[in-house]
Amino acid sequence: DAGITQSPRHKVTETGTPVTLRCHQTENHRYMYWYRQDPGHGLRLIHYSYGVKDTDKGEVSDGYSVSRSKTEDFLLTLESATSSQTSVYFCAIASSRVFGNQPQHFGDGTRLSIL
Amino acid sequence: DQQVKQNSPSLSVQEGRISILNCDYTNSMFDYFLWYKKYPAEGPTFLISISSIKDKNEDGRFTVFLNKSAKHLSLHIVPSQPGDSAVYFCAAEKAAGNKLTFGGGTRVLVKP
Repeated sequence: DAGITQSPRHKVTETGTPVTLRCHQTENHRYMYWYRQDPGHGLRLIHYSYGVKDTDKGEVSDGYSVSRSKTEDFLLTLESATSSQTSVYFCAIASSRVFGNQPQHFGDGTRLSIL
Repeated sequence: DQQVKQNSPSLSVQEGRISILNCDYTNSMFDYFLWYKKYPAEGPTFLISISSIKDKNEDGRFTVFLNKSAKHLSLHIVPSQPGDSAVYFCAAEKAAGNKLTFGGGTRVLVKP
């Protein structure tokens, strides 16, 4: 199994509070991703990183920010949580594409409930 | 605008028979396709992939077929086993890209 740890695994918080989710990898992979999974939508990309301090927006980035200060850690922050951000959040990693396409490997997710 | 679609939300199959999961895409820039399997309370697990230069890739009981002209791919599981009961997602990536676009998933139930 890919060495990916997401924390916390579960969180309940109130509307308007800030929330930070952490993804930690031990694979030294270049690429890291944050997705959210909602019924009927599959997984949708929020933000991704292609190196330390290098990040870009995904499909559903509004209301989210990310930071990557070290290769192994990728943080997702909800500055002011809203009920529409209640979801299951997955982190994924992928190695360099020097040798061609590489699949992404996923963590076990964080279930976030915003009341 | 869903660029990757799995039109069957669920599939029920008898143990030992073939499971066929379908996926359609609209963006002709996609050139790498993947299937993931997901159990409840776990993250998606990579299953099998195929590059657009191929039309078939096989790994044990799992075979993925790609029809580029129809913008269609399918996953065949033969024989199906109860442990295959899960949600399956197809995903696609553009050439020289590094982002996946996922379909909505198909829930497979394999009956003993």
